[in-house]
Amino acid sequence: RKEVEQDPGPFNVPEGATVAFNCTYSNSASQSFFWYRQDCRKEPKLLMSVYSSGNEDGRFTAQLNRASQYISLLIRDSKLSDSATYLCVVNRRNYGGSQGNLIFGKGTKLSVKP
Amino acid sequence: ETGVTQTPRHLVMGMTNKKSLKCEQHLGHNAMYWYKQSAKKPLELMFVYSLEERVENNSVPSRFSPECPNSSHLFLHLHTLQPEDSALYLCASSHIAGEGYEQYFGPGTRLTVT
Repeated sequence: RKEVEQDPGPFNVPEGATVAFNCTYSNSASQSFFWYRQDCRKEPKLLMSVYSSGNEDGRFTAQLNRASQYISLLIRDSKLSDSATYLCVVNRRNYGGSQGNLIFGKGTKLSVKP
Repeated sequence: ETGVTQTPRHLVMGMTNKKSLKCEQHLGHNAMYWYKQSAKKPLELMFVYSLEERVENNSVPSRFSPECPNSSHLFLHLHTLQPEDSALYLCASSHIAGEGYEQYFGPGTRLTVT
C-alpha cells in the first residue's frame, strides 16, 4: 500500500458544483494531516490543516477518519479559480520517535468549467 | 508573497556545467528542505536541514550537493547532471524538522538539463 494514495482525476466539474476528494494513508501512527493546493507550474500552497474533529474554512471542509486512515476534502460552490491540483499530505511518524517529515500524495487534478 | 524565495526561477544547463540553486526563507523557521518534482510523480524529498545541520539525505546522487550556511539560507549545488534530473526543484521551510509541521514552499527553480 502506498504511503499516501489519491485518485489522480481529473475531476471536471461545472461552476457551482460540489466536489469531494479522498485520500488514504498507510501509517496508522500519523498525526499531522494537510491539504495543499498546487496551480499549474507553481509551488504547493497550504490550503488547510485537517483535524480529528473535522474543520471548515469557507467553502472548504476537511474530514479525518483515523479508523479507516482516510482524509477527505469537500469543495462547495466550485469557482473557476478552484481549478488546481489538490495534494493530500501526511506525516511519516517514526514509532517511538519524532513525528517525521511530510509525505505528499501525487495529487488530484480539478478542472472547474464555466 | 516573499516568505520563501528561490533563484533562479529557470535554469538550463549542460551536463558538464556547474550551477547552484539558492533559497532564502524570511519566516524565522529552523528547518529547510529540498524537494524534486518531476512530471506525473509526487514530490520527492531530497534533503532536510535542521538548524544548519543536515538531518536527512534520501539516497540522492552525489551530483547534488546541498549547503546550509545558516537557518535562513539553503543552496543546492549541481554538477555533471543527467537529462533525467530535469524537474522543478522546490525549497521549503518549517518551524522544526521532522515533527509534522506544515511546510511553506518557494516558487521553485525549473531546471532543464541538455
